[in-house]
Amino acid sequence: DSGVTQTPKHLITATGQRVTLRCSPRSGDLSVYWYQQSLDQGLQFLIQYYNGEERAKGNILERFSAQQFPDLHSELNLSSLELGDSALYFCASSVAGYIGETQYFGPGTRLLVL
Amino acid sequence: AQSVTQPDIHITVSEGASLELRCNYSYGATPYLFWYVQSPGQGLQLLLKYFSGDTLVQGIKGFEAEFKRSQSSFNLRKPSVHWSDAAEYFCAVGRGAQKLVFGQGTRLTINP
Repeated sequence: DSGVTQTPKHLITATGQRVTLRCSPRSGDLSVYWYQQSLDQGLQFLIQYYNGEERAKGNILERFSAQQFPDLHSELNLSSLELGDSALYFCASSVAGYIGETQYFGPGTRLLVL
Repeated sequence: AQSVTQPDIHITVSEGASLELRCNYSYGATPYLFWYVQSPGQGLQLLLKYFSGDTLVQGIKGFEAEFKRSQSSFNLRKPSVHWSDAAEYFCAVGRGAQKLVFGQGTRLTINP
């Protein structure tokens, strides 16, 4: 158990819908990362937050947005969903958000868009 | 652009045999290098990482990796695999403010 929790575990929705994925980092970690894992794209970095502020952005679509709240939990919002958004979405956390730190991954949320 | 190549999509070894998983990277300077493991239905767990110094790095679960600058490689090894090592293994690189870039992964199957 990494100490990172993600809810829900599974999500099935329809095209055009909007969903919110939630992540609680390890106690004491200030930085949260979001990743998307799909068969065709592999594991891709989406976005990173540190203590409530966006720190780095990766291959995140404009239809996707995220935020980190004062209690340090984070939410990833996916809107106007398309079939291709079906994937496993991971949240990870680290202490201070530096590249050399260990990132602790949650178990993921599996999203299926029908 | 930064990239990571794991040439082997799937490897099968017998229990007790040695293992080597390959990782090659393309980066402007020597990046930080990582190996993560993903067990079925789980998130990723860090096995080991390299920043500088001794090019042979020891990790958890009996794994080690060797950094070879001349070959831009960071191969993962284990002298004797156990059935519990069956998983997907990811090599990743990153530096400074750059995000982590992951390879496509190598799926390891263990024959009893």
